[in-house]
Amino acid sequence: AQSVTQLDSHVSVSEGTPVLLRCNYSSSYSPSLFWYVQHPNKGLQLLLKYTSAATLVKGINGFEAEFKKSETSFHLTKPSAHMSDAAEYFCVVRLMNTGFQKLVFGTGTRLLVSP
Amino acid sequence: EAGVTQFPSHSVIEKGQTVTLRCDPISGHDNLYWYRRVMGKEIKFLLHFVKESKQDESGMPNNRFLAERTGGTYSTLKVQPAELEDSGVYFCASSQVRGIGTEAFFGQGTRLTVV
Repeated sequence: AQSVTQLDSHVSVSEGTPVLLRCNYSSSYSPSLFWYVQHPNKGLQLLLKYTSAATLVKGINGFEAEFKKSETSFHLTKPSAHMSDAAEYFCVVRLMNTGFQKLVFGTGTRLLVSP
Repeated sequence: EAGVTQFPSHSVIEKGQTVTLRCDPISGHDNLYWYRRVMGKEIKFLLHFVKESKQDESGMPNNRFLAERTGGTYSTLKVQPAELEDSGVYFCASSQVRGIGTEAFFGQGTRLTVV
């Protein structure tokens, strides 16, 4: 069975400091992994995706994530937080080669950015 | 290009009433998905359309939920009769093709409250 665990329900940072949102996955097969973000009253937006190419994946808005198979992790990072990064972030796993349906979502991490 | 649009953005109904949610996918996207997030839980898959056909409806919670996609364009999700546990945010997503790296585009969600 596939699952993702987002270790923190809330993360608070100050503007200009690094961001780390943690995600661990469980999958019997080679996974595809995604990070989505939801800003208030907006839809879910894809930040980045890992699909078995480079293990360090760069996304939009300066975010990146590193796939570490040995640790079954796919943590999301950003060197310097901006106020506009305040949102809810979802780590998502999908079984490779099975199409897009049945994405498995984590419970989400709400990122709070203070001035 | 218009994104995925969902109507209404919010709905408050009484237990036992009927509610119909609508999703307009991105034009030309054959794949349409419904997901749901119940309060405090993760986002879960409900079903998947390919054009007008239901490809996978294994995530539908029970027979009070009926999804349709007449003509392979917009989709509706009807809940009849609604129960308290149906409260949550219902997301719709669409994608053009299925594949390893295919991105699905999500709508902003419909927040359903059953009282």
